[in-house]
Amino acid sequence: GESVGLHLPTLSVQEGDNSIINCAYSNSASDYFIWYKQESGKGPQFIIDIRSNMDKRQGQRVTVLLNKTVKHLSLQIAATQPGDSAVYFCAELLGRGADKLIFGTGTRLQVFP
Amino acid sequence: KAGVTQTPRYLIKTRGQQVTLSCSPISGHRSVSWYQQTPGQGLQFLFEYFSETQRNKGNFPGRFSGRQFSNSRSEMNVSTLELGDSALYLCASSLEASGNSPLHFGNGTRLTVT
Repeated sequence: GESVGLHLPTLSVQEGDNSIINCAYSNSASDYFIWYKQESGKGPQFIIDIRSNMDKRQGQRVTVLLNKTVKHLSLQIAATQPGDSAVYFCAELLGRGADKLIFGTGTRLQVFP
Repeated sequence: KAGVTQTPRYLIKTRGQQVTLSCSPISGHRSVSWYQQTPGQGLQFLFEYFSETQRNKGNFPGRFSGRQFSNSRSEMNVSTLELGDSALYLCASSLEASGNSPLHFGNGTRLTVT
């Protein structure tokens, strides 16, 4: 079946360190992936996206890596800050025309001083 | 540019009642999607509207319905509320149909059914 999973439900990192949040997806037909950040009491906030014709995309302090061979997605956050503490979701789009984002269960990132 | 606006922010209803939630997308966005978020099921897709037409629908019963107006604003309705409908309902808009541009979410409507 279709599923997007996460390897770690909670990730604790020290302020200033780099964070890596992983995500596995099961549908090889998925061609669009998005990372979202959700803070308490707010809706998910778009962080970065990547299409299947790419294997890496960089934003401000964030990098998304896509490995289609093993159907794995990761979000790297450089120099993690307290404001990065939130739940992070990966989402996959099941191919053009399906237009339905399937979200993973989420990883909670905790940043400690 | 204003973000996605959802009203009301909080809502308390009784079993059997119906509820209507409202969403105003980002200006210029033509696609509106609705998601239900619960601790047990996570984020689940309800439906997507584009240019007033429902483009896609998730696996929810017919008690869940929605519509989109000519100004792209959207409403979703839940009839005959059940306790299990208690959730955070999130609306997201995108410039084009989802898949062509990322979704931008509002802060949701927290529905509690008693």
